[in-house]
Amino acid sequence: AQSVTQPDIHITVSEGASLELRCNYSYGATPYLFWYVQSPGQGLQLLLKYFSGDTLVQGIKGFEAEFKRSQSSFNLRKPSVHWSDAAEYFCAVGAVGGNLIFGKGTKLSVKP
Amino acid sequence: DSGVTQTPKHLITATGQRVTLRCSPRSGDLSVYWYQQSLDQGLQFLIQYYNGEERAKGNILERFSAQQFPDLHSELNLSSLELGDSALYFCASSPPRGSGSYEQYFGPGTRLTVT
Repeated sequence: AQSVTQPDIHITVSEGASLELRCNYSYGATPYLFWYVQSPGQGLQLLLKYFSGDTLVQGIKGFEAEFKRSQSSFNLRKPSVHWSDAAEYFCAVGAVGGNLIFGKGTKLSVKP
Repeated sequence: DSGVTQTPKHLITATGQRVTLRCSPRSGDLSVYWYQQSLDQGLQFLIQYYNGEERAKGNILERFSAQQFPDLHSELNLSSLELGDSALYFCASSPPRGSGSYEQYFGPGTRLTVT
């Protein structure tokens, strides 16, 4: 069955430090992969997506993610975190029917 | 702003009642998806419509139903509400098939509280 695992429930980083959020997926074919961000009380905003081609994808707000088929991973990275990046981040895989299967999310806190 | 609108933003109702949540997709999008977000279950897919037809079902209870109208807006009906139905309900839309895009754009959600 298709699934997404985000091993880290909560991560705290200092402002200006680099960030990597982990995501592992289980999917039989080439997956469609996504990262979304949710600020408190808000909807989900699409950060970036991977469908095919270049395995390093750039997104909004300075985020990037790398698809590694051999590791079934799609980790999200940012070289320098800003206080406004504090939010919850969700990795998702596009299922056969078109709907998204989400991980449990990683809450990011940013220390000043 | 994703372009997906949902009303109402908040809804407080009692157990046993019935509510209707409304969603308007982005202009040009034909697919509408409904998701439920709760603390214990996370984000769960409920149901998908494409151009007025039901296309896929997820973990949707029999007490819940949905439809998509000719103008492409969608409604999610929740009946015989229980305390455990309290959650954030999201609607999302995606570009038409054949567009080469598979991402989904989410609305701001409806927070349902059942008391």
